[in-house]
Amino acid sequence: QVQLQQWGAGLLKPSETLSLTCTVYGGSFSGYYWTWIRQPPGKGLEWIGEINHGGSTTYSPSLKSRTSISVDTSKNQFSLRLTSVTAADTAVYSCARGVATVLRGVPDWYFDLWGRGTLVTVSS
Amino acid sequence: SSELTQDPAVSVALGQTVRITCQGDTLRNYYASWYQQKPGQAPLLILYGKTNRPSGIPDRFSGSSSGNTASLTITGAQAEDEADYYCNSRDSSGNHLVFGGGTKLTVL
Repeated sequence: QVQLQQWGAGLLKPSETLSLTCTVYGGSFSGYYWTWIRQPPGKGLEWIGEINHGGSTTYSPSLKSRTSISVDTSKNQFSLRLTSVTAADTAVYSCARGVATVLRGVPDWYFDLWGRGTLVTVSS
Repeated sequence: SSELTQDPAVSVALGQTVRITCQGDTLRNYYASWYQQKPGQAPLLILYGKTNRPSGIPDRFSGSSSGNTASLTITGAQAEDEADYYCNSRDSSGNHLVFGGGTKLTVL
């Protein structure tokens, strides 16, 4: 059974760098888009960005200037770095496995596995 | 604001049918996927490719789409279906993914 286990610092000060890592256990690392998603307290989901096993990345335009996602295929891990955090970056950050496919001739993407999420609080 | 629009809240009587919608121009070109999130839990994929359910998702959950609107229908809503529901698809550029704002479903 494939599982995603994530970890990282949960309390940051403004201007510090958020760093989280997600390890994929029990399944293939290739063929998927490894994704970070966040959810501020009481609010909706926000896609941060993704990386494939080859290292190709795509980021949300609103976060692109501060975001970096990297991959270590030897460890089946991918990581998120978000620089210069502020209180607005306080959220539960989750890793997820993204699937890209074509169904009935139409492109389709979905997240079929999620990590448990890490609450990251930014406070002075 | 998101490129995918959902009603903030919907209610349904126990055992009745409810439809949750997701609107956005990109849905004319791409499918939406749907996620159920209960308090304190990670989102759970419940529909993809308009009508496909992952293994273990009850068949009372179904999907459809027309024009710029994707819909999630729960036929015979159960108390355990009370949750937040999010749609997800591509943005107008086609290069990024976006979520709808979410719909809070209350089962009365």
